[in-house]
Amino acid sequence: NAGVTQTPKFRILKIGQSMTLQCTQDMNHNYMYWYRQDPGMGLKLIYYSVGAGITDKGEVPNGYNVSRSTTEDFPLRLELAAPSQTSVYFCASLRGPSTDTQYFGPGTRLTVL
Amino acid sequence: AQSVTQLGSHVSVSEGALVLLRCNYSSSVPPYLFWYVQYPNQGLQLLLKYTSAATLVKGINGFEAEFKKSETSFHLTKPSAHMSDAAEYFCAARGTDKLIFGTGTRLQVFP
Repeated sequence: NAGVTQTPKFRILKIGQSMTLQCTQDMNHNYMYWYRQDPGMGLKLIYYSVGAGITDKGEVPNGYNVSRSTTEDFPLRLELAAPSQTSVYFCASLRGPSTDTQYFGPGTRLTVL
Repeated sequence: AQSVTQLGSHVSVSEGALVLLRCNYSSSVPPYLFWYVQYPNQGLQLLLKYTSAATLVKGINGFEAEFKKSETSFHLTKPSAHMSDAAEYFCAARGTDKLIFGTGTRLQVFP
């Protein structure tokens, strides 16, 4: 049971490039989330999904896209990378909207130059 | 709307001293509350959670938190700080389909 896995761990992008951050969970959780954490700041929710085929915007969705074709995977797409997207990205999953624990991945550190 | 407020973005204590990290919530319904810890260069992991079963909740690594409805608080405490407790701590409340996080408190422990 690997929990929540994220790839890559580190990435440097040039302005205008695109990339996909991968997130996979093996706990059969319905709910999945993408957060960004800027240095010295808290977590900001980018997008989330309550099940396969269903996604919704969080606080800071601009510049990102997501899809949820399977229960296990929730990739985050950056289409035109900008320096403001330099951050650490965390994926998380949750079984359901109750007292269940939300599990976090180890993060992807992205730098846009 | 629900919100979570953590008072103090930085807290410094000496090793062996009491740790107190403050969290207040606003909610019109009984809340489900959580404390998460983030060690350097790692993701968040659950310390403890309040689910209305008991007002004093014990978590991992000797931490505990007390839910006080009258004060809308869920402060995190540890009687004796250890160097390994140095980390970022986040309080969170269950919202609709997602967690509402506080802005975090960075705990420093000095020898």
